[in-house]
Amino acid sequence: GENVEQHPSTLSVQEGDSAVIKCTYSDSASNYFPWYKQELGKGPQLIIDIRSNVGEKKDQRIAVTLNKTAKHFSLHITETQPEDSAVYFCAASFMDNNDMRFGAGTRLTVKP
Amino acid sequence: NAGVTQTPKFQVLKTGQSMTLQCAQDMNHEYMSWYRQDPGMGLRLIHYSVGAGITDQGEVPNGYNVSRSTTEDFPLRLLSAAPSQTSVYFCASSDTRGYTFGSGTRLTVV
Repeated sequence: GENVEQHPSTLSVQEGDSAVIKCTYSDSASNYFPWYKQELGKGPQLIIDIRSNVGEKKDQRIAVTLNKTAKHFSLHITETQPEDSAVYFCAASFMDNNDMRFGAGTRLTVKP
Repeated sequence: NAGVTQTPKFQVLKTGQSMTLQCAQDMNHEYMSWYRQDPGMGLRLIHYSVGAGITDQGEVPNGYNVSRSTTEDFPLRLLSAAPSQTSVYFCASSDTRGYTFGSGTRLTVV
């Protein structure tokens, strides 16, 4: 089955700086790569996703890049704010989100 | 509000007890799944269902049973709770636009 690795496990940045989280996946058949944000005591929430027919997607301060050849994808958050502090998960799946596998998570702390 | 509802939010069980974690969604999604979240291990798939009457195993199915008699409901049963099942459990439903997670059930087995 699919195996997703995520780095780093913790990340601390100063407010206004950029944050980058990286993931690799093992199954070349995977074609859907979402990112989730989990705040304390809540379930994960989808913040951005990318499909394998595109290399980059942006939504305001967040962007995701995908390199299918190398089987890795990254989350970029620019101009970080304290409310960006949370645990972020990457995930990968094949065909309409079935059997999605998650990375171990990155705890992002944005210091004011 | 549309979404995924999980009950209970907290539960303490004694070793050997059984219980059912409830999950309901009102978005008419065919696909539903159960994950457990443990520190440093992310979310691991326990069981999933692609529609009413159809279920399958994920990464860590041992000790858990599921059934899907309706589109809306996908309960997770612990037959004989063990301390290794202490975790936070999340139910999710999804369509092609992505996953929607419930708020979780924190289970402690003593």
